[in-house]
Amino acid sequence: AQSVTQLDSHVSVSEGTPVLLRCNYSSSYSPSLFWYVQHPNKGLQLLLKYTSAATLVKGINGFEAEFKKSETSFHLTKPSAHMSDAAEYFCVVSERGGTDKLIFGTGTRLQVFP
Amino acid sequence: SAVISQKPSRDICQRGTSLTIQCQVDSQVTMMFWYRQQPGQSLTLIATANQGSEATYESGFVIDKFPISRPNLTFSTLTVSNMSPEDSSIYLCSVDDPRQYNEQFFGPGTRLTVL
Repeated sequence: AQSVTQLDSHVSVSEGTPVLLRCNYSSSYSPSLFWYVQHPNKGLQLLLKYTSAATLVKGINGFEAEFKKSETSFHLTKPSAHMSDAAEYFCVVSERGGTDKLIFGTGTRLQVFP
Repeated sequence: SAVISQKPSRDICQRGTSLTIQCQVDSQVTMMFWYRQQPGQSLTLIATANQGSEATYESGFVIDKFPISRPNLTFSTLTVSNMSPEDSSIYLCSVDDPRQYNEQFFGPGTRLTVL
């Protein structure tokens, strides 16, 4: 069975400092992994995806994530936080990518202070 | 990418009643999915809807409570039946867009409050 664990329910950073949102996954197969962002009262937006190509994945708005099979991790990072990054972030796993059901982590709420 | 709309965007309903949520996509898609996001929680898949076949429900969700229709490749409905306050959630549909490999796109969601 697949699952994802987001290790932090809340992360607070100052504007201009690095962001690290941690995610570990469990899967019997070579998984597809995603990060989605949900701004308050808005829909879900795909930040980036990993589908067995390059292990370092670059997404929108300066975010990137690295797939580490040995650590079963897919942490999300950004070098410099912006106030507009404040949102809920979900790490997601799927066995067959976008054509299969998505298993969502519990989410990490990112706060950015001025 | 696929553009998805949902109706209604929000509703307040009385317990014991039913609400049908519509999901419309601007292009033909094979798979449509319905998710629930309870207050302060993550998303959970309710069912997968393929055109021309019965929806496939996840553990904990049943057709009598959440009947789904998928009459064509651009449209689906989810009905929340005999509602109780525990059904208060955001309901989202998503699609796999064949033009965007290996991605699912989500609609804006329907915020349901049951009194």
